[in-house]
Amino acid sequence: EAGVVQSPRYKIIEKKQPVAFWCNPISGHNTLYWYLQNLGQGPELLIRYENEEAVDDSQLPKDRFSAERLKGVDSTLKIQPAELGDSAVYLCASSFSLSGANVLTFGAGSRLTVL
Amino acid sequence: AQSVTQLDSHVSVSEGTPVLLRCNYSSSYSPSLFWYVQHPNKGLQLLLKYTSAATLVKGINGFEAEFKKSETSFHLTKPSAHMSDAAEYFCVVSDGNAGKSTFGDGTTLTVKP
Repeated sequence: EAGVVQSPRYKIIEKKQPVAFWCNPISGHNTLYWYLQNLGQGPELLIRYENEEAVDDSQLPKDRFSAERLKGVDSTLKIQPAELGDSAVYLCASSFSLSGANVLTFGAGSRLTVL
Repeated sequence: AQSVTQLDSHVSVSEGTPVLLRCNYSSSYSPSLFWYVQHPNKGLQLLLKYTSAATLVKGINGFEAEFKKSETSFHLTKPSAHMSDAAEYFCVVSDGNAGKSTFGDGTTLTVKP
């Protein structure tokens, strides 16, 4: 079974440019998460989806970040325009929330560098 | 509200010696607790989880952790470190039903030959 797939793995852009990250979760996992991980810190939740509904987006900077999860499967996270401080690793994770314990399966991450 | 404090940002041990990574948590609920490991340029991988069953939890690669409610701790241990254990380790608290997981800032484990 394939794990959580993210692309691109690495992206270098200039500030003010747009960027998009894509995530394909594990088949059957109804919950999808986007996390931001800065160097030397733990992941911080940006947004959580239950199926196609965003149930927690309180930490998503909505002036420049947007996300969607069409049909409750794949998800895209977009930043427009990017700022220097957005340089970080963007992690996607999925889980089957009805299983009780909230076990997350992570993708390898998308590392963004903004110049 | 919930939070996690990993008491050591860096731990260095010699190969073959015990490992102890410390984690304290705060939660308004009966929490689920997890340890994840992250090797360089790899995704986070689940080491073990506590979900209100046995307080001593065994995980992969010889790691185990003990849930101590009175001390609000969930320390990670391994009897004998291996070079391949060098990585970043994250302690996580989750309120389970609400689906909210909070990560600690991580502990970098270095294993010296």
